[in-house]
Amino acid sequence: AQTVTQSQPEMSVQEAETVTLSCTYDTSESDYYLFWYKQPPSRQMILVIRQEAYKQQNATENRFSVNFQKAAKSFSLKISDSQLGDAAMYFCALSIGGSQGNLIFGKGTKLSVKP
Amino acid sequence: GAVVSQHPSWVICKSGTSVKIECRSLDFQATTMFWYRQFPKQSLMLMATSNEGSKATYEQGVEKDKFLINHASLTLSTLTVTSAHPEDSSFYICSAIQGARGYTFGSGTRLTVV
Repeated sequence: AQTVTQSQPEMSVQEAETVTLSCTYDTSESDYYLFWYKQPPSRQMILVIRQEAYKQQNATENRFSVNFQKAAKSFSLKISDSQLGDAAMYFCALSIGGSQGNLIFGKGTKLSVKP
Repeated sequence: GAVVSQHPSWVICKSGTSVKIECRSLDFQATTMFWYRQFPKQSLMLMATSNEGSKATYEQGVEKDKFLINHASLTLSTLTVTSAHPEDSSFYICSAIQGARGYTFGSGTRLTVV
């Protein structure tokens, strides 16, 4: 069975600072994708970043980057220069079978950004 | 970009009635759609996988006779909550796969059963 674990229910960061959200996962599959989604109060799911398991290079999207440690099955999200608009729930998710399988979500981390 | 339109965004219904939620892919064909349920302050839990032209695949513990899913075309999937009860009150979200681009989510439906 596949699992995704987010051990930080809540995190807080000062505006303009950097914060790292943790995620570990478990799967016996070799072909999988990992994602971070943001869910603001509107509850619309917004893709932040995705990582293909076969790629060793860590994915980066502007202020968002990941630290993908495949052997350790760890997939943390780093947000640099945090902005007030980054405040939201962040979900780590796993998809096996490439990017065509269903997403398995962690429990989420609520990020607060202090002005 | 890819858009999945989900309606209604919120609905209140009386206990014992049925409610239909629609998800449409507006600018792409969605062979597969997923239906999730999210309780307050919790994560998204997969309810079922919907494939165009075939029966949906339900996750363990999800009542297929209560949550009817129809995926009659490549752009439309519907979830009908039959004989709704207060415990069915939740936030329902659909998601469609757009080829190699990945997943696109609807904006969700807040269902309240009174």
